Amino acid sequence: KAGVTQTPRYLIKTRGQQVTLSCSPISGHRSVSWYQQTPGQGLQFLFEYFSETQRNKGNFPGRFSGRQFSNSRSEMNVSTLELGDSALYLCASSSIRAGQETQYFGPGTRLLVL
Amino acid sequence: AQKITQTQPGMFVQEKEAVTLDCTYDTSDQSYGLFWYKQPSSGEMIFLIYQGSYDEQNATEGRYSLNFQKARKSANLVISASQLGDSAMYFCAMREGRTGGFKTIFGAGTRLFVKA
Repeated sequence: KAGVTQTPRYLIKTRGQQVTLSCSPISGHRSVSWYQQTPGQGLQFLFEYFSETQRNKGNFPGRFSGRQFSNSRSEMNVSTLELGDSALYLCASSSIRAGQETQYFGPGTRLLVL
Repeated sequence: AQKITQTQPGMFVQEKEAVTLDCTYDTSDQSYGLFWYKQPSSGEMIFLIYQGSYDEQNATEGRYSLNFQKARKSANLVISASQLGDSAMYFCAMREGRTGGFKTIFGAGTRLFVKA
């Protein structure tokens, strides 16, 4: 079974631009979550999607948005990029089977904002 | 508010010895899940082990076991027979809201160094 894939793996943008990151979950997983990881703030929850609906959102400004498609693939978008948006963005797909939860992460997208 | 505390910024362990990484959590929910992840220098997050709040037995996965003490709100990771490849950052995480949507919070992490 293929793991979680994220594209692109690396990205360099300039302030004010926007960026779209993509995540394909493990086949059969309907929940997709996004996280931002920075040296200063650690891992922070961005949002979670399930069956094309955003179920939870972290404390991030409205410049951060996302969506999920009918095939469970998800995208997140950051508009009007700021230097502080430079981070590793991780996507995770989740499932629950027999009371056991699993959450597997993709390799991440490293975003550098200049 | 939910909170995960990992009090050990860094730990050293001799190869082949066991090591315990501490994690305490705070939540008012009755239903939650606890995870441990390993993050090597490559950056990927590797799922290690999961413990549900209603699970009575401690979770085990190969050389990893989770010492779950619910009353003390602690979920320590025990790695037996450490290997050089275990050197990495380890994160404890908690997820609440099984039916209403998942939101996972992470601790600050513990960097483990395995010495030959």
